[in-house]
Amino acid sequence: GAGVSQSPSNKVTEKGKDVELRCDPISGHTALYWYRQRLGQGLEFLIYFQGNSAPDKSGLPSDRFSAERTGESVSTLTIQRTQQEDSAVYLCASSGFNEQFFGPGTRLTVL
Amino acid sequence: KQEVTQIPAALSVPEGENLVLNCSFTDSAIYNLQWFRQDPGKGLTSLLLIQSSQREQTSGRLNASLDKSSGRSTLYIAASQPGDSATYLCAVWGGGSNYKLTFGKGTLLTVNP
Repeated sequence: GAGVSQSPSNKVTEKGKDVELRCDPISGHTALYWYRQRLGQGLEFLIYFQGNSAPDKSGLPSDRFSAERTGESVSTLTIQRTQQEDSAVYLCASSGFNEQFFGPGTRLTVL
Repeated sequence: KQEVTQIPAALSVPEGENLVLNCSFTDSAIYNLQWFRQDPGKGLTSLLLIQSSQREQTSGRLNASLDKSSGRSTLYIAASQPGDSATYLCAVWGGGSNYKLTFGKGTLLTVNP
């Protein structure tokens, strides 16, 4: 079916506001990842979901960041009280076995 | 902790030239290595995936090699075209990072007509 989709594609928000980013993985993929790419930087791992196991949250940069996933479907990344340093492209990927497939990303700009 | 380095950071070549992009990683206990392409404002497109047991993969004008013991990979692009202009990212799966991909910062390639 379709690839990984993400929404919105672009989000502009004011400092201090909360934002929610959505990821729809490829159907049947049990693993889902969130990465962040800040300008001029490499991709940073944020969080990993595998089936019904407890997620690996070791990459989340602060407690303002959280993510949820319902079963093996949609995931939402929430950033509370956004800061300017949160401005980045947030990429979601899903995996069935040994290859990760990426969505187009959400470009977040915090003013 | 796995670290991935890509050299050069940027490369500009005339159309038709063959070129090599380099990637090195610090922990050789990897599961696989992937090369991606990223166009401005777009997500990542997987180009080639090399399993740890393999030494190279080919797709069209692209050839990627892997020398796991020395922690190196190269992406060879033959007969470059302006449409090849993009950022090329190398990522390793495993090697201390388990299931996470660890990315290099990429090589920005410009192919001039």
